[in-house]
Amino acid sequence: SQQGEEDPQALSIQEGENATMNCSYKTSINNLQWYRQNSGRGLVHLILIRSNEREKHSGRLRVTLDTSKKSSSLLITASRAADTASYFCATDGKGAAGNKLTFGGGTRVLVKP
Amino acid sequence: KAGVTQTPRYLIKTRGQQVTLSCSPISGHRSVSWYQQTPGQGLQFLFEYFSETQRNKGNFPGRFSGRQFSNSRSEMNVSTLELGDSALYLCASSLSAGELFFGEGSRLTVL
Repeated sequence: SQQGEEDPQALSIQEGENATMNCSYKTSINNLQWYRQNSGRGLVHLILIRSNEREKHSGRLRVTLDTSKKSSSLLITASRAADTASYFCATDGKGAAGNKLTFGGGTRVLVKP
Repeated sequence: KAGVTQTPRYLIKTRGQQVTLSCSPISGHRSVSWYQQTPGQGLQFLFEYFSETQRNKGNFPGRFSGRQFSNSRSEMNVSTLELGDSALYLCASSLSAGELFFGEGSRLTVL
């Protein structure tokens, strides 16, 4: 079963606009990560935010985490056609050892040139 | 540094057969994880190996198994294939708990 639910499931925007997607999860976590996947290919790590952090930036990416609501958001600013991909949040279990991640269902983002 | 390499990239099997998929992690990475991705169930964790030992296991039947060798390379095996095993199988390696580096996947079609 999936820990996270993401919304929206799909998003279509124009180049230059911002894209925001949300992730909710069910159990306490150590970290939450966001990954990108281009059609049918491997996932690429974007950013990791720890449970004691509230916001993190990396280039055009901004991630927020609200552990009281068990939710996170990913904002992509000034989107480009190359940002077209599916985006997944992934969580671990608090106190768990190793790399057992639970992924959300993903948000498909289409950036139109 | 070479990335995570998965072989084969594509394969077609028939029901009842078995399949073995291979994963070579990034040099120095001792953790290797496997995930199954399907349109219906999404990305699901299969298992993780660290220093040749299974460290974590997902909720898959015993037909799914894996192992890790002393050079950190990993294989996963699926026996008695079912139609529902058709999926993209993704391998990921990691230096420690946190960021995963994924391969391009092995796309299995079961007929």
